[in-house]
Amino acid sequence: ETGVTQTPRHLVMGMTNKKSLKCEQHLGHNAMYWYKQSAKKPLELMFVYSLEERVENNSVPSRFSPECPNSSHLFLHLHTLQPEDSALYLCASSQDLVSGYGEAFFGQGTRLTVV
Amino acid sequence: QKEVEQNSGPLSVPEGAIASLNCTYSDRGSQSFFWYRQYSGKSPELIMSIYSNGDKEDGRFTAQLNKASQYVSLLIRDSQPSDSATYLCAVKFGGSYIPTFGRGTSLIVHP
Repeated sequence: ETGVTQTPRHLVMGMTNKKSLKCEQHLGHNAMYWYKQSAKKPLELMFVYSLEERVENNSVPSRFSPECPNSSHLFLHLHTLQPEDSALYLCASSQDLVSGYGEAFFGQGTRLTVV
Repeated sequence: QKEVEQNSGPLSVPEGAIASLNCTYSDRGSQSFFWYRQYSGKSPELIMSIYSNGDKEDGRFTAQLNKASQYVSLLIRDSQPSDSATYLCAVKFGGSYIPTFGRGTSLIVHP
């Protein structure tokens, strides 16, 4: 385990369902991220939180809704998704955003399939 | 548009050889550079970071950075089949606090 835990590991959902992805980090980090990884594409940054404040939203559709209740937990709420949203969703954390280094540590990911 | 470029491969090398993975980036003001390894179906794992020109060695891995030419490379000595994975290059562009990832290079080490 990397210190960043994601649940569930696999999720199959219909286009009308509502589900949530959960991420928890045990590293004492102040920054957390959601990434999307599709086949043959680079990692796509979705959201960034620093000290529970959202600092970046990379033009992500509103059917993805993040929530960061504290610096250790991050959620991604999903509703009315499309089949093209099927991908590996990765959570990551780093010490903070201003240290200048930015080593990010990733969770194991949630493999999402939208049917 | 600031970009990180990697050859997608696959790069195939025999066991025991040196594998050389390359990455170029577009922003001359970039300061932080990272190599991640990602096994199939797994999450990326940080293996090296480098911040200044030159070489940085860690076990069988050597990262090389040349800011003037805007490239960073990763050398894996004595390659093993267990090194077979996709290697992601990530660059923190100047003025950004979030690294940008390349598409990754698939490495296959055959016995």
